[in-house]
Amino acid sequence: EDQVTQSPEALRLQEGESSSLNCSYTVSGLRGLFWYRQDPGKGPEFLFTLYSAGEEKEKERLKATLTKKESFLHITAPKPEDSATYLCAVRLGGNTPLVFGKGTRLSVIA
Amino acid sequence: SQTIHQWPATLVQPVGSPLSLECTVEGTSNPNLYWYRQAAGRGLQLLFYSIGIDQISSEVPQNLSASRPQDRQFILSSKKLLLSDSGFYLCAWSRDRYNEQFFGPGTRLTVL
Repeated sequence: EDQVTQSPEALRLQEGESSSLNCSYTVSGLRGLFWYRQDPGKGPEFLFTLYSAGEEKEKERLKATLTKKESFLHITAPKPEDSATYLCAVRLGGNTPLVFGKGTRLSVIA
Repeated sequence: SQTIHQWPATLVQPVGSPLSLECTVEGTSNPNLYWYRQAAGRGLQLLFYSIGIDQISSEVPQNLSASRPQDRQFILSSKKLLLSDSGFYLCAWSRDRYNEQFFGPGTRLTVL
């Protein structure tokens, strides 16, 4: 059973059409949730870290929010250059490594 | 600022051949280092992580091994590659186990 689930798997938007990506997790004892952007053939690029429910972070057209069971990555008025795969990862306590979701592949059409 | 390098960028190897992928980090000291493999539709799989020289943990039993000969150098090796070793290999670093990881550009490995 996956501990981190991202939805949808793929999302196609028109330029300017705002939407949200979801990252839900089934584990307890969250010690951090991380969002990354990955372009084809490249390594993931760090976007945000969220630590507690209610926390929000913003960067340009992206805003990440966190509840006790899920996180949303809101994309406002997206542009074609926002097209990428967006990954989320959760960190539990102790020495456990990050657990990554499988990502949402976002395509923004001009 | 910190930068992370990986090489080679792409590699095509025959089954049964050895492998050596290298990762180096600049601009920080005593980083935590990680090796991941990314396969299509399967997400990022952690292979190894290291909190210091000669301190390496393996997450997945396989024919791969990792070494950390210097503080900011992490090497992924294999004595004999399998077809199933094909994939996109990513190295990452973090300041400690609590904070975000920063990824390198990756190595695309194809085993034929």
